[in-house]
Amino acid sequence: DAGVIQSPRHEVTEMGQEVTLRCKPISGHDYLFWYRQTMMRGLELLIYFNNNVPIDDSGMPEDRFSAKMPNASFSTLKIQPSEPRDSAVYFCASRADRVGYTFGSGTRLTVV
Amino acid sequence: AQSVTQLDSQVPVFEEAPVELRCNYSSSVSVYLFWYVQYPNQGLQLLLKYLSGSTLVKGINGFEAEFNKSQTSFHLRKPSVHISDTAEYFCAVSERGNFNKFYFGSGTKLNVKP
Repeated sequence: DAGVIQSPRHEVTEMGQEVTLRCKPISGHDYLFWYRQTMMRGLELLIYFNNNVPIDDSGMPEDRFSAKMPNASFSTLKIQPSEPRDSAVYFCASRADRVGYTFGSGTRLTVV
Repeated sequence: AQSVTQLDSQVPVFEEAPVELRCNYSSSVSVYLFWYVQYPNQGLQLLLKYLSGSTLVKGINGFEAEFNKSQTSFHLRKPSVHISDTAEYFCAVSERGNFNKFYFGSGTKLNVKP
C-alpha cells in the first residue's frame, strides 16, 4: 500500500497564477479530505468527498478555490488566481472507516 | 461547535524522561478523541484514539492517553521518551457519529534532547 500520494511536494508560483494540487487516495477509501495547514490557523478542513461527490465545502476560503474528484483514485485542488496568503501546506487524506484518516505528505505551496 | 486547546506550544524534555502533552476540548455533544503525530515534512499519523470503553487508551510507540470526561481532557503521556519522538503532536476531536469533521488543536512541538 503506497499510502495517500500527493503531488507536487513543493510548488512555488507567482501571484495571479493558477495552481493545481493533486491527490491519489488509498484504493478502497471512499472518503477524501483536503486540509490546509498554516502557522496562524493550524489545520483547517477545506472540503471532503464521499464516493467522489463533494459533501461539505464550507471550509473553502473563497471562490478562487475549487476541488474536484473525477474518479475514486484522483482528486485536485485548484487555486485560481493564487495570492501570497494562500501559501501553506495542503494535505490530502483518505478514510475507509471510522478508524481514522491516512494523510499524504502534503504539498508546500509558496505564492510570491 | 467543538474546539480543542493545546496549551503548550513547545515542550522540551530530556531523553528517557517522562512527558505529558495536554489537551482540553469543549463540546456540547459527545465526542471522539484522537492524537496525531507529525514528523518534519510528513503528513499526520494516527497515534491513538478514544471512541468508547476504557478511558485509558494505548497507542503506538509507547504512548497512551486518558480520557477525563469531567475535566474534558485527553492528555497524552509517555513514561520514557526517545530522540525519535521529536515531532509535533496534534489533539483532535470529532462529533460522536461523525468522523468527517475533525477539529484539530494548534499542536505541541515535542523536542527531545540527549
